[in-house]
Amino acid sequence: KNQVEQSPQSLIILEGKNCTLQCNYTVSPFSNLRWYKQDTGRGPVSLTIMTFSENTKSNGRYTATLDADTKQSSLHITASQLSDSASYICVVSASAAGNKLTFGGGTRVLVKP
Amino acid sequence: ETGVTQTPRHLVMGMTNKKSLKCEQHLGHNAMYWYKQSAKKPLELMFVYSLEERVENNSVPSRFSPECPNSSHLFLHLHTLQPEDSALYLCASSQHRGLAGAPYEQYFGPGTRLTVT
Repeated sequence: KNQVEQSPQSLIILEGKNCTLQCNYTVSPFSNLRWYKQDTGRGPVSLTIMTFSENTKSNGRYTATLDADTKQSSLHITASQLSDSASYICVVSASAAGNKLTFGGGTRVLVKP
Repeated sequence: ETGVTQTPRHLVMGMTNKKSLKCEQHLGHNAMYWYKQSAKKPLELMFVYSLEERVENNSVPSRFSPECPNSSHLFLHLHTLQPEDSALYLCASSQHRGLAGAPYEQYFGPGTRLTVT
């Protein structure tokens, strides 16, 4: 069964600090992995998409890594800002069955001043 | 602005009511999706329309009825819902789901917060 597990479920960090979110998956055959940011009461917005051959991708202060061998990904937030408070969702696409997406449960990040 | 709009943003309905959720995309995409997001659970894919034909229906109860009259509009008709159907309903769009391995970006709307009383 395809699954995506994220950790931690939630975390609180001080403004200006860094943090790293984890994503482990069992989706096979792997096609690509995405990280989405979802603000409260809004739809998810894509941060990065990585295919099998990519092991790191950045979008501003967000840097995602991918280890396709261990089936792990991380999202690193640098110099956090209050606007980074949101849920971060890891999504993995399988190359079979029409690129079906499997969603993780998300990590809720709260940045405090 | 994601280019995907949803109305209404909030809806409270009784279990005997009939209501509809509307989604419109302005991105020129030809695939549209309905997702359900319950508290503390991953997004659940409900329906997929590609080129205006339903291509996926993930064992969703018949009290949810989708309609896709054209590639820009998607509806979710609701009737005789249960309290456990209370959730955030998200619409998304993308280019046609197609080539294996080709990442296609899904753009989400802001969602409709549904409360069933």
